[in-house]
Amino acid sequence: GQQVMQIPQYQHVQEGEDFTTYCNSSTTLSNIQWYKQRPGGHPVFLIQLVKSGEVKKQKRLTFQFGEAKKNSSLHITATQTTDVGTYFCAGNYNQGGKLIFGQGTELSVKP
Amino acid sequence: DAGVIQSPRHEVTEMGQEVTLRCKPISGHNSLFWYRQTMMRGLELLIYFNNNVPIDDSGMPEDRFSAKMPNASFSTLKIQPSEPRDSAVYFCASSLEGGWEQYFGPGTRLTVT
Repeated sequence: GQQVMQIPQYQHVQEGEDFTTYCNSSTTLSNIQWYKQRPGGHPVFLIQLVKSGEVKKQKRLTFQFGEAKKNSSLHITATQTTDVGTYFCAGNYNQGGKLIFGQGTELSVKP
Repeated sequence: DAGVIQSPRHEVTEMGQEVTLRCKPISGHNSLFWYRQTMMRGLELLIYFNNNVPIDDSGMPEDRFSAKMPNASFSTLKIQPSEPRDSAVYFCASSLEGGWEQYFGPGTRLTVT
């Protein structure tokens, strides 16, 4: 079945350093979504990428969707302590709404 | 908007007892999802509904789990009988349409002793 692999599982950075998490699918995605879950909280939608090669930015966050629509990345520039949490990608294979979540990357930021 | 509402927020029960988790999706949303989150298995989709109809329940662990959506504003996830390995955070999420962004509720933290 469809599976979305996400790496790394954990990332510890010093405040001000950059951070990147990667997602890969073995099959072509219809679209990919990104969510953030703060410690003790629930996943919150960040963005959706639909087009091949699409790049979207939200302040210090840059999201990319690969040309083959099989991979995606989230890059945070100059991390802040407010960026702490687990970042999930979620792949949509156009199966009526079902999302396949990656394992998540837990980001910790040392002030 | 009130967002997705889940109850209870915390549930502690003994093995063998029945547990019912409740969810009220965002008004107007047509799709509803139940997820389970654990450290070991991450975020797993259990079942989802479109227009109150179950579409995919392949993630439901076993017959002890059942879910219903009697109307557009209410869904339940029932575990009977509960077991310690069912301990997890259960999230309900809704979306306007299938495949669109999902809005998660605060979750129910279930502990089965």
